[in-house]
Amino acid sequence: AQTVTQSQPEMSVQEAETVTLSCTYDTSESDYYLFWYKQPPSRQMILVIRQEAYKQQNATENRFSVNFQKAAKSFSLKISDSQLGDAAMYFCAYRSSPGNQFYFGTGTSLTVIP
Amino acid sequence: GAVVSQHPSRVICKSGTSVKIECRSLDFQATTMFWYRQFPKQSLMLMATSNEGSKATYEQGVEKDKFLINHASLTLSTLTVTSAHPEDSSFYICSARSPLAGGYTDTQYFGPGTRLTVL
Repeated sequence: AQTVTQSQPEMSVQEAETVTLSCTYDTSESDYYLFWYKQPPSRQMILVIRQEAYKQQNATENRFSVNFQKAAKSFSLKISDSQLGDAAMYFCAYRSSPGNQFYFGTGTSLTVIP
Repeated sequence: GAVVSQHPSRVICKSGTSVKIECRSLDFQATTMFWYRQFPKQSLMLMATSNEGSKATYEQGVEKDKFLINHASLTLSTLTVTSAHPEDSSFYICSARSPLAGGYTDTQYFGPGTRLTVL
């Protein structure tokens, strides 16, 4: 089974600053999808960003962007201009193509300091 | 678009009783739904995958007789915790996947979760 590793259990960032959350994964497949989900205190999982492995261009969604390094099997999330509402648990996830099952990392708890 | 609801959001029951949790995709048809369990400050643990009209596929270690899953329609899946015990207390989350949802063909949309407390 694929494994997803988030080596930072906790991170903090000053409001308006930039923070990068790390994620690495292990797979022998060439085609797959990677995701970052956010889980705020409400515990509702919210999709932040999605990346197809066959695309070389890094995905961006407003203040959120990824650094996808396929050879290194790395998929980090950069949050620019951090806001208080960004405080949450962030999960990295992998899904093969084709396939149904998501593999989640253990999460990184992000604190935003006013 | 792509909204998934769960009901109830919170339930407290006595040991030995059964509890049913509903998961609905409100604005799309979900060919596949997933049930997760999440312990405090931990990641999501996949319990089972269900496809409409067929039996659910359970992950290793999940008791299928204890956690009954029914995916009766393209918009509804239910999880029934039978003869619940205090160790079943947890946060249960469902998600739905559909090729027609919100323009994303390979994304799971999550419900808000159900907190189960068994006394």
